[in-house]
Amino acid sequence: NAGVMQNPRHLVRRRGQEARLRCSPMKGHSHVYWYRQLPEEGLKFMVYLQKENIIDESGMPKERFSAEFPKEGPSILRIQQVVRGDSAAYFCASSPVSWLAGYEQYFGPGTRLTVT
Amino acid sequence: GNSVTQMEGPVTLSEEAFLTINCTYTATGYPSLFWYVQYPGEGLQLLLKATKADDKGSNKGFEATYRKETTSFHLEKGSVQVSDSAVYFCALSPGDSGGGADGLTFGKGTHLIIQP
Repeated sequence: NAGVMQNPRHLVRRRGQEARLRCSPMKGHSHVYWYRQLPEEGLKFMVYLQKENIIDESGMPKERFSAEFPKEGPSILRIQQVVRGDSAAYFCASSPVSWLAGYEQYFGPGTRLTVT
Repeated sequence: GNSVTQMEGPVTLSEEAFLTINCTYTATGYPSLFWYVQYPGEGLQLLLKATKADDKGSNKGFEATYRKETTSFHLEKGSVQVSDSAVYFCALSPGDSGGGADGLTFGKGTHLIIQP
């Protein structure tokens, strides 16, 4: 069973460009979470999605950031008009609907975004 | 809101030394608690978890006990190896959310360095 897949692993963008980060959850998982890890810090929750629905986006910046998880295909985290402060590692995680089992999330390898 | 506090690093130990990484939390209800490990350039891997008070999670020689009275989940290992060098994150998920809602709340991470 393949794990959570993220691509690209490394992404370089100039200021003002758009960044698209993709995440394919584990097979059978219908819940996807995006986190951002700034240098020397822990992971911060950004958004939680199910297929075609945003469940919780309380951690998303109000502007330039958006996320989707369509019925078919991977989840996409989109950052418009990137700025240097967006440089970070972005991790995706997925889980089955199993809160009774203690709610375990499985993480992908991350996308490291560098804005020049 | 929920929060996780863990000891700051880096923590440097010699091989075969005893390890403790402290973690305390603040949360409403009955959260589940996790330790994740991140090796250089990789994503997070679940190390162990505990879902209710007095539960002990264990894996690869690491242990942590869910102490509700002290709101703690300290990570321990009796004899560390060089290969244990990594960043360790303590995390919690809300215990009163059905269906896997909400993201994990992470501590800032503790960088562990084991010297031969």
